[in-house]
Amino acid sequence: GNSVTQMEGPVTLSEEAFLTINCTYTATGYPSLFWYVQYPGEGLQLLLKATKADDKGSNKGFEATYRKETTSFHLEKGSVQVSDSAVYFCALRSDAGGTSYGKLTFGQGTILTVHP
Amino acid sequence: DTEVTQTPKHLVMGMTNKKSLKCEQHMGHRAMYWYKQKAKKPPELMFVYSYEKLSINESVPSRFSPECPNSSLLNLHLHALQPEDSALYLCASSQEGSLLGYGYTFGSGTRLTVV
Repeated sequence: GNSVTQMEGPVTLSEEAFLTINCTYTATGYPSLFWYVQYPGEGLQLLLKATKADDKGSNKGFEATYRKETTSFHLEKGSVQVSDSAVYFCALRSDAGGTSYGKLTFGQGTILTVHP
Repeated sequence: DTEVTQTPKHLVMGMTNKKSLKCEQHMGHRAMYWYKQKAKKPPELMFVYSYEKLSINESVPSRFSPECPNSSLLNLHLHALQPEDSALYLCASSQEGSLLGYGYTFGSGTRLTVV
């Protein structure tokens, strides 16, 4: 079946530091990959996505590249801000045999805290 | 309109109460979902509706009863809940399931407390 593994957190950084959150996956078929962000007290927001190998998703300074050879989709940001403090979820969507209705599979989430 | 709207935002209910959570979207999405999320954990899928028909029930207890009155609305009826059912309940919608390149659009959730 499908699965997503994220680096364990929490991650604590100072403002303007470089961020990497690792994500690897196992999937049947040709999955699409996503990063979602959840700010305190809110629902999930789609941060970026990639739908095929070597695609790079980007948004708000965050980037992730779909690496099929390493089955990875690591999230990066060059300079984090206090406002980036949130929980980040890596996820995939794959048609596993046509009966999954494109079910979204989440990683465990990584808590990011950025200090001034 | 690119939002999923959930009401109420907060709900406190007793174990003998009956209540309903509501979800609405006007993006023309034909798949709608209910998720349960405990603090600092990923969302857990409960139900999937595709074209207003229940497609997936992830072995959810019968005290949770979903309903999809039309393509824009999704309800979750609650009855005789337990304190361990306290969680954030998220609704989401997406293009039909075969369009895998699209992510889900999530609502901001209903924070449910069972006392």
